[in-house]
Amino acid sequence: EVHLVESGGGLVQPGGSLRLSCAASGFTFATSWMHWVRQRPGQGLEWVARISDDGVSTFYVDSVRGRFTISRDNANKIVYLHMITLRAAESAVSLCVGGGFWGQGALVTVSS
Amino acid sequence: QSALTQEASVSGTVGQKVTLSCSGNNNNIGTYTVAWYQQVSHGAPKTVMFGNSLPSGIPDRFSGSQSGTTASLTISGLQPEDEAHYYCSTWDYSLSEHGMTVFGGGTKLTVL
Repeated sequence: EVHLVESGGGLVQPGGSLRLSCAASGFTFATSWMHWVRQRPGQGLEWVARISDDGVSTFYVDSVRGRFTISRDNANKIVYLHMITLRAAESAVSLCVGGGFWGQGALVTVSS
Repeated sequence: QSALTQEASVSGTVGQKVTLSCSGNNNNIGTYTVAWYQQVSHGAPKTVMFGNSLPSGIPDRFSGSQSGTTASLTISGLQPEDEAHYYCSTWDYSLSEHGMTVFGGGTKLTVL
């Protein structure tokens, strides 16, 4: 059975940082590109970042490039999203996606 | 404003056939395969179609097609559990220097 379990969400002040983790199991993680997608309250899905299977290539939506970093640990089947200089408008559920599978999401609340 | 255009809402009765559409351009749908995601009551999204390929565990009443700059998701024999938001998604090479994944705004499917 496939599992993608996000962790690391929480409340952070504007300008603050968070690192999200996503632990994967049940599919071929090492050969899967992985993504982070976010969903603001009551809104649709927004792609944030993706990383190649070998971790060499990374891509970001323009609004987060330079502030967010996606990385992965294939040995332990974990993908990360390190976020800095967070903005209030970026409060959202952040979802890990890979191999066609989705996690349940981690809530990130940016508020003072 | 989403890069991909979907109907805001579609409705149908149990047993009916409904088709959801996703419109883009040659920089996205015209070049890349479209995926479809189902999200029930803001739970975790689930992949229900990739191009015209049905992921494991998805009922065969779901089918997908793609022609030119438009993709479609058809549900033949609508069931109450199909009521959800549906999002289309693909890659776009023109909206960002490095390319990016784009989503449609989502279609709310109501089963009457």
